[in-house]
Amino acid sequence: DQQVKQNSPSLSVQEGRISILNCDYTNSMFDYFLWYKKYPAEGPTFLISISSIKDKNEDGRFTVFLNKSAKHLSLHIVPSQPGDSAVYFCAASETNDYKLSFGAGTTVTVRA
Amino acid sequence: KAGVTQTPRYLIKTRGQQVTLSCSPISGHRSVSWYQQTPGQGLQFLFEYFSETQRNKGNFPGRFSGRQFSNSRSEMNVSTLELGDSALYLCASRLTLAGGQYFGPGTRLTVT
Repeated sequence: DQQVKQNSPSLSVQEGRISILNCDYTNSMFDYFLWYKKYPAEGPTFLISISSIKDKNEDGRFTVFLNKSAKHLSLHIVPSQPGDSAVYFCAASETNDYKLSFGAGTTVTVRA
Repeated sequence: KAGVTQTPRYLIKTRGQQVTLSCSPISGHRSVSWYQQTPGQGLQFLFEYFSETQRNKGNFPGRFSGRQFSNSRSEMNVSTLELGDSALYLCASRLTLAGGQYFGPGTRLTVT
């Protein structure tokens, strides 16, 4: 059973605009959330994370928002750049069980 | 510091055969995790090893097994291959069980 869901398999956005990627989870024990970015022929690379004690974390053009009551998180990329075209995975884990559960991924395409 | 390396990068096997994949973690990292990536399923967790002991296991049949050596290198074995085992197998390492994961480029396994 998929505990982390990314319901949008793809997203197309114009360069310079905002990209919003969404992620939902079902396990209320999850307390640490991460976003990974993956280019073809490479392994995923860590992008940004957030702990459940916060509702927002920002790193440059990337901001992650967490809504614990809705079991929902989102990744905002502003402004979107062509190099942001990749597959983005949402992941979650719970304290003392460090196994990461991943979503199916969202393919982002940034159009010039 | 060298990143996570995986060998081989590409592999073609036939149904019923077995395969062994290898992963060398970042120097000093004691944890190695394995994931299976298939289209639409995202990254499915297989297992994690820490200091030669399996610490966590995903929901995969017993045909999937792994081990970790004293130098932290890890191998994953799949016996009696099925067509559905065709996937990208990713290995990730981290310093501790609570640390961030660094992924290798993956091994693309095709079962015919």
